[in-house]
Amino acid sequence: QITLKESGPTVVKPTQTLTLTCTFSGFSLSTSGLGVGWIRQPPGKALEWLALIYWNDDKRYSPSLNNRLTITKDTSKNQVVLTMTNMDPVDTATYYCAHRPIAGQNWFDPWGQGTLVTVSS
Amino acid sequence: IVLTQSPGTLSLSPGERATLSCRASQSVSNGFLAWYQQKPGQAPRLLIYGASSRATGIPDRFSGSGSGTDFTLTISRLEPEDFAVYYCQHYGRLVTFGQGTRLEIK
Repeated sequence: QITLKESGPTVVKPTQTLTLTCTFSGFSLSTSGLGVGWIRQPPGKALEWLALIYWNDDKRYSPSLNNRLTITKDTSKNQVVLTMTNMDPVDTATYYCAHRPIAGQNWFDPWGQGTLVTVSS
Repeated sequence: IVLTQSPGTLSLSPGERATLSCRASQSVSNGFLAWYQQKPGQAPRLLIYGASSRATGIPDRFSGSGSGTDFTLTISRLEPEDFAVYYCQHYGRLVTFGQGTRLEIK
């Protein structure tokens, strides 16, 4: 059974850097073809894809947020970390990590439960 | 690629057929289009990938179709648990989501 869980601060101040950790089980990111993605959802709004990291350490970022995002993996710990710099109140959202199970196809299944991050001074 | 979902809200009764649309701003290659269901307070759940392949455990009342720029999610006979928000997703080299369709009980 594959599970993922997001962790990190629930509140960050404007201009600070957000660091979120996705801890997963049931698969290894050293397995060829696999990946983990990050997606966020502001309250009452639509989903927004942020970043993807693959088993071979290749990375993809949302063009609109590319200069603020960094995604890394620690295969030995079964973790993926997302950092987002210069946080703003508009970045208030639930942040999800999700498993990308098939090489060449960036759909996500399953997802973590999500973690709500509020940006406020 | 920008995805536009319609309608924004769909009001139907249990037992009825639901048809949800997702239109892409340019042609989607290889049918790289997925659909998700999201209920309040829950993470999204994958329903369909590859435009028409049902994910594991998804009931066969859910079906996906389409190609090019026009895609459809059909729920043949609505069950009470199907009332939720539905998102389409394009997955090329990058990923984009539509703005969602809310399916509500009439």
